[in-house]
Amino acid sequence: GAGVSQSPSNKVTEKGKDVELRCDPISGHTALYWYRQSLGQGLEFLIYFQGNSAPDKSGLPSDRFSAERTGGSVSTLTIQRTQQEDSAVYLCASSLAGAGVGSGNTIYFGEGSWLTVV
Amino acid sequence: GENVEQHPSTLSVQEGDSAVIKCTYSDSASNYFPWYKQELGKGPQLIIDIRSNVGEKKDQRIAVTLNKTAKHFSLHITETQPEDSAVYFCAARGVSYIPTFGRGTSLIVHP
Repeated sequence: GAGVSQSPSNKVTEKGKDVELRCDPISGHTALYWYRQSLGQGLEFLIYFQGNSAPDKSGLPSDRFSAERTGGSVSTLTIQRTQQEDSAVYLCASSLAGAGVGSGNTIYFGEGSWLTVV
Repeated sequence: GENVEQHPSTLSVQEGDSAVIKCTYSDSASNYFPWYKQELGKGPQLIIDIRSNVGEKKDQRIAVTLNKTAKHFSLHITETQPEDSAVYFCAARGVSYIPTFGRGTSLIVHP
């Protein structure tokens, strides 16, 4: 696609339910990132994929959060047993793979998935 | 890990004035510094970036400067317009390949 596509754009769920958020990166981009943005706050890193593997998942806040990526393209972020503090915008971004230090590949963001847990 | 500090958190200017947002970073290995603009209800959009081998970069009314020795970089917007009103984020990226973002600056341009 022309840009990073995320779905759903908005999701209201009841506390305790599971949710899945989907990200379709720019075609050909092998690096994929998930960030979380709470109301009025900055961007909190969650997980980074290079291809289908996740070399850095240090930002996932708890074991209720998981993510996978298949076929080196689409990624799904899953939140189990949602809590009210999970309410936030979940942003996905992608970039071309670079080789180590010196890579300045531009990171493009999607419009985000707005999650509200009631 | 990398730590990025961004100031001010809120900046209010009159249309036509200049606006300056400053960021500092902690990891001397960081070599790529993008700036993003986020309008209400939208995802962040890249507006300009600078790499560590360049001290300054301009694109029309927007410029970014980088001081590697002091480990700080700044965004300059001249002749501000109401449509420049948004939240601006700086970021730094180095060996970890994970960009670290500042907490954002809410820019308000009054007509």
